[in-house]
Amino acid sequence: GAGVSQTPSNKVTEKGKYVELRCDPISGHTALYWYRQSLGQGPEFLIYFQGTGAADDSGLPNDRFFAVRPEGSVSTLKIQRTERGDSAVYLCASSPLRGGFTDTQYFGPGTRLTVL
Amino acid sequence: KQEVTQIPAALSVPEGENLVLNCSFTDSAIYNLQWFRQDPGKGLTSLLLIQSSQREQTSGRLNASLDKSSGRSTLYIAASQPGDSATYLCAAPSQGKLIFGQGTTLQVKP
Repeated sequence: GAGVSQTPSNKVTEKGKYVELRCDPISGHTALYWYRQSLGQGPEFLIYFQGTGAADDSGLPNDRFFAVRPEGSVSTLKIQRTERGDSAVYLCASSPLRGGFTDTQYFGPGTRLTVL
Repeated sequence: KQEVTQIPAALSVPEGENLVLNCSFTDSAIYNLQWFRQDPGKGLTSLLLIQSSQREQTSGRLNASLDKSSGRSTLYIAASQPGDSATYLCAAPSQGKLIFGQGTTLQVKP
């Protein structure tokens, strides 16, 4: 079956603009995660959804970042008033069970965001 | 707070050599530990997941071990090939989310 997909694959925007990044998890996966990866670093956690609700948003860096998952499937990460420091690869992952600690997380290819 | 560290940051070996990548973590109360591969410009591919009740997992030429008491995991790659060149990341779960190391970038020279 299809894996996790993310669109767009690349996004170039200007400082101050608003962007939306989309994630389509594996069908039936209840848990969905967003991570951000800067060059040369490992991914850093942003937010985790269990169904439609955000179970943990402690990784969001500030209130310019927001994510939704209204129907418990597709998720959108929204960034307002983008800054050059927001440039990174944004990764989405999903897992099949109820976010249990033994789950394997399956990652999408990521969206490379560049803020000029 | 869980912290994950990988050493070395980069490694270059000739084809055919056996090698070990290291991962250390600060909180030994983990449920599992996962190793990923990342090719340049790509997402993460899960290689192995070791549950806390296991000491090792094998997949083909890859073998991952887990020693919770010492806070260490190793990824052993046998008979390395140029196609193994990639960045290898380990990750430990902490309150539902994964905490990643910085990765080890491996280059296998033909």
